[in-house]
Amino acid sequence: DAKTTQPPSMDCAERRAANLPCNHSTISGNEYVYWYRQIHSQGPQYIIHGLKNNETNEMASLIITEDRKSSTLILPHATLRDTAVYYCIVTWAGQTGANNLFFGTGTRLTVIP
Amino acid sequence: GAVVSQHPSRVICKSGTSVKIECRSLDFQATTMFWYRQFPKKSLMLMATSNEGSKATYEQGVEKDKFLINHASLTLSTLTVTSAHPEDSSFYICSAQTGLGYTFGSGTRLTVV
Repeated sequence: DAKTTQPPSMDCAERRAANLPCNHSTISGNEYVYWYRQIHSQGPQYIIHGLKNNETNEMASLIITEDRKSSTLILPHATLRDTAVYYCIVTWAGQTGANNLFFGTGTRLTVIP
Repeated sequence: GAVVSQHPSRVICKSGTSVKIECRSLDFQATTMFWYRQFPKKSLMLMATSNEGSKATYEQGVEKDKFLINHASLTLSTLTVTSAHPEDSSFYICSAQTGLGYTFGSGTRLTVV
């Protein structure tokens, strides 16, 4: 079962920041938060991951609360090409086996011109 | 970065025939690969874990004789849908574990007519 809760859908204006929340209140100490996105009819694409500290890369920023029970993915300047389903996943990094990689329903982000 | 190549991207076959889908890890070796299926507007569901040189591990409810998995080398895993029926029509996606978590193929859309 998915260990995360996300809103089913969100809209964001083009060139504005998109903030996608995720609740993972049962996360354990050695579990990471991963974010993937899936554009229609494509395979999921890795975005970013983190354990405790906030992370930033060329695609997005990840803000994890101090108690690690929730996080927010930030796309700083959303474009139309960012329209996709965004999945927040909690898993043990480096552990073989995907039975702990559960995809929930994700958040369908629509970027509006 | 690590790339997983999946082929074909889409296939149409007649009921009763078999279809093979290939998943290749480019520039890295993958002792373990994973196969998912995704129905329209639904999330990814893990079908099986493919292990190089040994039998695949199937998730509960997935028929191993229906979905044959072969992982004969460190860079190639194949999924064969045997005696396909219209209800097998779906989007099939493979993935491999990499340093960034999991890298996914681009998916194969199977339509059984």
